[in-house]
Amino acid sequence: DAKTTQPPSMDCAEGRAANLPCNHSTISGNEYVYWYRQIHSQGPQYIIHGLKNNETNEMASLIITEDRKSSTLILPHATLRDTAVYYCIVWANYNQGGKLIFGQGTELSVKP
Amino acid sequence: EAQVTQNPRYLITVTGKKLTVTCSQNMNHEYMSWYRQDPGLGLRQIYYSMNVEVTDKGDVPEGYKVSRKEKRNFPLILESPSPNQTSLYFCASSPLQGVREKLFFGSGTQLSVL
Repeated sequence: DAKTTQPPSMDCAEGRAANLPCNHSTISGNEYVYWYRQIHSQGPQYIIHGLKNNETNEMASLIITEDRKSSTLILPHATLRDTAVYYCIVWANYNQGGKLIFGQGTELSVKP
Repeated sequence: EAQVTQNPRYLITVTGKKLTVTCSQNMNHEYMSWYRQDPGLGLRQIYYSMNVEVTDKGDVPEGYKVSRKEKRNFPLILESPSPNQTSLYFCASSPLQGVREKLFFGSGTQLSVL
């Protein structure tokens, strides 16, 4: 199972874009990149996922490099409510295995 | 409402007293899993289940048991809890069909073993 590496913490000014990097250099061809966030001690919340194309939804954008070894989660206009721990994980589709490695995530602090 | 329900939300117990944390989902998901979260260590997977009667170990299975007799339920059992199992526990579920295999998490169970 591929592992991910993220910076332990980042700051972002309110209203600016937050760009959270993730390294997954051992990702295999059938593994998707997923992003989740956890606010305080609540259950993690799904944000976005992708395979190799860039993706965008109402919460964020996901940019995956062409070699798929890294990705960036973009929160276009960060608010104070986006302060959370963000986890990048890789997981295969269908019945390719159920083992998941979350890592320690990036603690994002959005400041006024 | 689609959800993953864990009970109890908080639990204080003593060393060696068997306990069960329940997890139930109403989305007919095949995949369910348990995680523990400790300060500085992120989320670590304890056990997972790909379907009824199919379970497997995650990264930190020692001291835990699970069972999957029904699709909707995936209880976590601590036969003889110890203080090092004091942690925040999360249950999650996911469908295993189609591309959108995102995880749905419960609200968590804060366990303290004295």
